[in-house]
Amino acid sequence: KNEVEQSPQNLTAQEGEFITINCSYSVGISALHWLQQHPGGGIVSLFMLSSGKKKHGRLIATINIQEKHSSLHITASHPRDSAVYICAVRSRDDKIIFGKGTRLHILP
Amino acid sequence: DSGVTQTPKHLITATGQRVTLRCSPRSGDLSVYWYQQSLDQGLQFLIQYYNGEERAKGNILERFSAQQFPDLHSELNLSSLELGDSALYFCASSSPGGLWETQYFGPGTRLLVL
Repeated sequence: KNEVEQSPQNLTAQEGEFITINCSYSVGISALHWLQQHPGGGIVSLFMLSSGKKKHGRLIATINIQEKHSSLHITASHPRDSAVYICAVRSRDDKIIFGKGTRLHILP
Repeated sequence: DSGVTQTPKHLITATGQRVTLRCSPRSGDLSVYWYQQSLDQGLQFLIQYYNGEERAKGNILERFSAQQFPDLHSELNLSSLELGDSALYFCASSSPGGLWETQYFGPGTRLLVL
């Protein structure tokens, strides 16, 4: 079993839908990152979380440390949100562990 | 544009050879991270440097080594290359705190070992 699991692996939705991507981890962590990888390969860091919730534009990220779970939400999704979303954690012994990513496709 | 530069963009080489990948972090960032992304393994953390010192180590093979220079640029050296080393290699830099803060990724170096 991977130490960082994401679900779903693939998601196709219509423009305007509310999107949720989940990340569960099995190790103690100091921080969690959500990354976005565009079809061209470039990676952008969306959020770094150690507790609570963060919001940036239409993106919201939450983390529940006790349940070892984080979610990334996209409101009013748009075709330009189509990308691979990757969850990564930094464990307390300084390992950085990535999930396998969620491939999101938003249809116009 | 993240402000992180990586050279070269593409590299084709043969098994057994040695290559050097270079990364220049954003101005003012003290931390540099190296990652490998292959089709079968996904993204993997290799190593982190902070202000010239090794800070954390991940799944970096003994054939691979890295360093961060006084001007804060970093190099990743890959030697005795194997077919399985073909991958996209990213570096990222982060703000001066030294912790795992927001990371700025370079465009990557695509390595193909034939």
